[in-house]
Amino acid sequence: DADVTQTPRNRITKTGKRIMLECSQTKGHDRMYWYRQDPGLGLQLIYYSFDVKDINKGEISDGYSVSRQAQAKFSLSLESAIPNQTALYFCATSGPSTDTQYFGPGTRLTVL
Amino acid sequence: GEDVEQSLFLSVREGDSSVINCTYTDSSSTYLYWYKQEPGAGLQLLTYIFSNMDMKQDQRLTVLLNKKDKHLSLRIADTQTGDSAIYFCAESADTGRRALTFGSGTRLQVQP
Repeated sequence: DADVTQTPRNRITKTGKRIMLECSQTKGHDRMYWYRQDPGLGLQLIYYSFDVKDINKGEISDGYSVSRQAQAKFSLSLESAIPNQTALYFCATSGPSTDTQYFGPGTRLTVL
Repeated sequence: GEDVEQSLFLSVREGDSSVINCTYTDSSSTYLYWYKQEPGAGLQLLTYIFSNMDMKQDQRLTVLLNKKDKHLSLRIADTQTGDSAIYFCAESADTGRRALTFGSGTRLQVQP
């Protein structure tokens, strides 16, 4: 079984809709991250969380919100989706003694 | 700020060696990483090097770090068609957020 899972894997939605992407991990890591990947670009950090009560904005947090429901779960929401949020979204986790990050398989989101 | 740069594309013949290069700007980088992304998949950690090392070898992979020039390279010996993917360089600076800064990725194409 995968250590970091994301649901859904693919989603097509319309402008203005609210969307939630979910991430779960079984690695027991405290730190969790959401990244966005656009074609030809690297990954950009949206939000990160060091534990359930510690959530921080990344470089491109505008238009997004997150919720850390438990140590193992970190969800990303688009309150009102817009077409330029069409991208591949990755969740990642890392442990307490290293910055090495482990990624989920990604969610491909298309906003029409 | 932190910046990581890579060339966009590399084409090699099967059996040859591949060398993927990366430059970074943050002199406080503690770890440097190489991730591999196959089509439709998430990022897979290939290897990493601590900033006080200058070389690390792991089977067909050799990582070279020139800290003075802030240059990192990944050499893949005896490149196979299964090595075709996008390779991302990433750095972890000693910042509070403990997130990674990624390059835009190098697409490696291996020709039979």
